[in-house]
Amino acid sequence: KAGVTQTPRYLIKTRGQQVTLSCSPISGHRSVSWYQQTPGQGLQFLFEYFSETQRNKGNFPGRFSGRQFSNSRSEMNVSTLELGDSALYLCASSSMWTGTYNEQFFGPGTRLTVL
Amino acid sequence: GDSVTQMEGPVTLSEEAFLTINCTYTATGYPSLFWYVQYPGEGLQLLLKATKADDKGSNKGFEATYRKETTSFHLEKGSVQVSDSAVYFCALSSGNTGKLIFGQGTTLQVKP
Repeated sequence: KAGVTQTPRYLIKTRGQQVTLSCSPISGHRSVSWYQQTPGQGLQFLFEYFSETQRNKGNFPGRFSGRQFSNSRSEMNVSTLELGDSALYLCASSSMWTGTYNEQFFGPGTRLTVL
Repeated sequence: GDSVTQMEGPVTLSEEAFLTINCTYTATGYPSLFWYVQYPGEGLQLLLKATKADDKGSNKGFEATYRKETTSFHLEKGSVQVSDSAVYFCALSSGNTGKLIFGQGTTLQVKP
């Protein structure tokens, strides 16, 4: 079974631009969560989508948004980029049928650099 | 709110040494607990998990026991290898929220 895939793997943007990151979950997984990883703040939860609905949201400004499609693929968007948005963005998927709902499987991440 | 605290790193060990990475948590209810590992340039890999008190998770020689009385989930391995060098994250989830709360990570370096 293929793992979680994220595209692109690397991205360089300038301040003020917007960016869209994509995540394809493991086949059959309907929950997708997004995390931001930085050296200073560590791993922080952004939001979770299940069956095309945002179920949970972390403490991030409204510039961070996401969506999920009917095939469970998810995208996150960051508008008006700031230097502090430079980070590794990780996507994780999980299935309700593993017995442990929150056993999440992570993709390799998208490294975003904002100049 | 819920939180996870890990021992500060980096931890440097010689090959075949015993490893302990401390992890304690604060949570309401009965969280599930996880250890994830991150190798350079990669995402997180689930190392082991425990879903209720006194459960022992194990994988690849690593073990951790869910201790409700001490709110701890310490990671141990009897004999580390150079290939175990990575960053280790302790995490919890509470309820079916799809949200993991992570500790700050502990860098392990194993020297030959």
